[in-house]
Amino acid sequence: EDQVTQSPEALRLQEGESSSLNCSYTVSGLRGLFWYRQDPGKGPEFLFTLYSAGEEKEKERLKATLTKKESFLHITAPKPEDSATYLCAVTLNRDDKIIFGKGTRLHILP
Amino acid sequence: NAGVTQTPKFRILKIGQSMTLQCAQDMNHNYMYWYRQDPGMGLKLIYYSVGAGITDKGEVPNGYNVSRSTTEDFPLRLELAAPSQTSVYFCASRRRGLNTEAFFGQGTRLTVV
Repeated sequence: EDQVTQSPEALRLQEGESSSLNCSYTVSGLRGLFWYRQDPGKGPEFLFTLYSAGEEKEKERLKATLTKKESFLHITAPKPEDSATYLCAVTLNRDDKIIFGKGTRLHILP
Repeated sequence: NAGVTQTPKFRILKIGQSMTLQCAQDMNHNYMYWYRQDPGMGLKLIYYSVGAGITDKGEVPNGYNVSRSTTEDFPLRLELAAPSQTSVYFCASRRRGLNTEAFFGQGTRLTVV
């Protein structure tokens, strides 16, 4: 069974305290991996797409990386406005579904 | 562009009632998706469609039906509402192609009592 597992479930950091979120996947035929940000009461918003092992993408304080079995979302010197739930998702070669993990709730304390 | 528009935003249903959640997109996207999100459970795929006239089941299709008669619209039908269908429902769309990103609506919060 295809699975996407995110850890930790929740993370509290002080402003400026860097950390990483993990997304591990066990799927047959990964096509792509996505990171989304979701604020309370809103729909997810796209952050990054990663296609192949070794790939990295950056946006402001966020950097996403991909290996053959997992992806990391690194947050450098976070600010309170980075507080949100971060969702990882995958697409597969065999169909057009998008499969999501349960997310990591990130809270940055001022 | 309005993007993905979901209506209604909130709804309370009684057990056994029926309703349709509306989803419309104005980006000419081929692919559309319906998800439900329960607290702490991430997004679970209900149904998806790769084009007008084509729909397929996701992980949790029981109790729901969909149709896709146009590229723009992808309504989700609940025939006999049950308390287990209390959730937040999200519709999403994306362009055809490898690894195109999905755009989400603002969600419909449904409570079945």
